[in-house]
Amino acid sequence: DAKTTQPPSMDCAEGRAANLPCNHSTISGNEYVYWYRQIHSQGPQYIIHGLKNNETNEMASLIITEDRKSSTLILPHATLRDTAVYYCIVSDTQGGSEKLVFGKGTKLTVNP
Amino acid sequence: KAGVTQTPRYLIKTRGQQVTLSCSPISGHRSVSWYQQTPGQGLQFLFEYFSETQRNKGNFPGRFSGRQFSNSRSEMNVSTLELGDSALYLCASSYSVWAGVSSYEQYFGPGTRLTVT
Repeated sequence: DAKTTQPPSMDCAEGRAANLPCNHSTISGNEYVYWYRQIHSQGPQYIIHGLKNNETNEMASLIITEDRKSSTLILPHATLRDTAVYYCIVSDTQGGSEKLVFGKGTKLTVNP
Repeated sequence: KAGVTQTPRYLIKTRGQQVTLSCSPISGHRSVSWYQQTPGQGLQFLFEYFSETQRNKGNFPGRFSGRQFSNSRSEMNVSTLELGDSALYLCASSYSVWAGVSSYEQYFGPGTRLTVT
């Protein structure tokens, strides 16, 4: 089972920041938080990942709370093309293997 | 770099038949994972191969199998197809390293849409 809880859906106005929350209260010390998104009928796309510190790349920022029990993915200036299902995943590493356990994700709709 | 490629993109099979799907990872990536996506169950992990060895396996029946070749290309096979096997099958590759793995993002292909009639 997925170790994360996300709201099923969110709306955001185009040009505004989209803040997607994720709870992962049972995360263990060596587990990473990953974010992926899936635009309709395409394969999931990697966005960002982090362990403890906040992370930023060209797509998004990831804010992880100090106790690591929750995180927020921030899309600073959402566009219509950011409409997708966003998955927050806590890595499940077994023998060096990264196995992604997807939950139901958050359906983000960016409105004009 | 070219992305992950999967062939065929669409496939229609009949119950009881078998099917083989192919995945070519990003050049230099050594790990290939397979996932099944259905409307009811969502995205589910099938198995992962690294250096021609299955390193991790999900909760799927033995009808689902896979292999990886020395060039990291991978195939998955489903025997005795059932209607419930209709799904989008996704392949993902990552660089990965054996011992001391920290974390490695996975890059997904476009998937193979399998329809079983």
